[in-house]
Amino acid sequence: NAGVTQTPKFQVLKTGQSMTLQCAQDMNHEYMSWYRQDPGMGLRLIHYSVGAGITDQGEVPNGYNVSRSTTEDFPLRLLSAAPSQTSVYFCASRRGDYGYTFGSGTRLTVV
Amino acid sequence: GESVGLHLPTLSVQEGDNSIINCAYSNSASDYFIWYKQESGKGPQFIIDIRSNMDKRQGQRVTVLLNKTVKHLSLQIAATQPGDSAVYFCAENIGRGTSYGKLTFGQGTILTVHP
Repeated sequence: NAGVTQTPKFQVLKTGQSMTLQCAQDMNHEYMSWYRQDPGMGLRLIHYSVGAGITDQGEVPNGYNVSRSTTEDFPLRLLSAAPSQTSVYFCASRRGDYGYTFGSGTRLTVV
Repeated sequence: GESVGLHLPTLSVQEGDNSIINCAYSNSASDYFIWYKQESGKGPQFIIDIRSNMDKRQGQRVTVLLNKTVKHLSLQIAATQPGDSAVYFCAENIGRGTSYGKLTFGQGTILTVHP
């Protein structure tokens, strides 16, 4: 198993551009989440999904969209990038009652 | 929880000492707790978890203690090694209803182990 795979690892965007951060897991996990981590801080939940076709907002959802058309994939879309969205983004998946497994992150800079 | 900006709590220990990292969680309804280790440039790595029907759980060199009365978690690392140097986060979850998929993280503690 590859676990949780995030692409790209690094990205620079200009203000106003849009892009999609990809996340895939091959563990058949039901639950998937997106977090952002700003310097010196913990992770904050952006959006999460409890299964294909079901998504919900987390703590900081504004400016981001998600969809979950398959169990394996959970892409995060930035609609119009802003400098405040400069952060490290982590995708995670979870099976049942166990803790989340995290990807290695995408470092995004918006200039 | 509230963000406190760029100044994470720090803990410095000597190699071989035992380390204790503390965490105050925010929601009295939380019933599942996890400790994660995050090394520089990497994603959080699962260390150990505990459910609210327990007050102690042991793993390999690690022990988690849960005190629900004061909403406090601690992570004890025995015989700390330089490879344990990282940021440690506690996380809480409400394991039922619409909150099932949500994990709320604490701010983190920087552990530095000196040889």
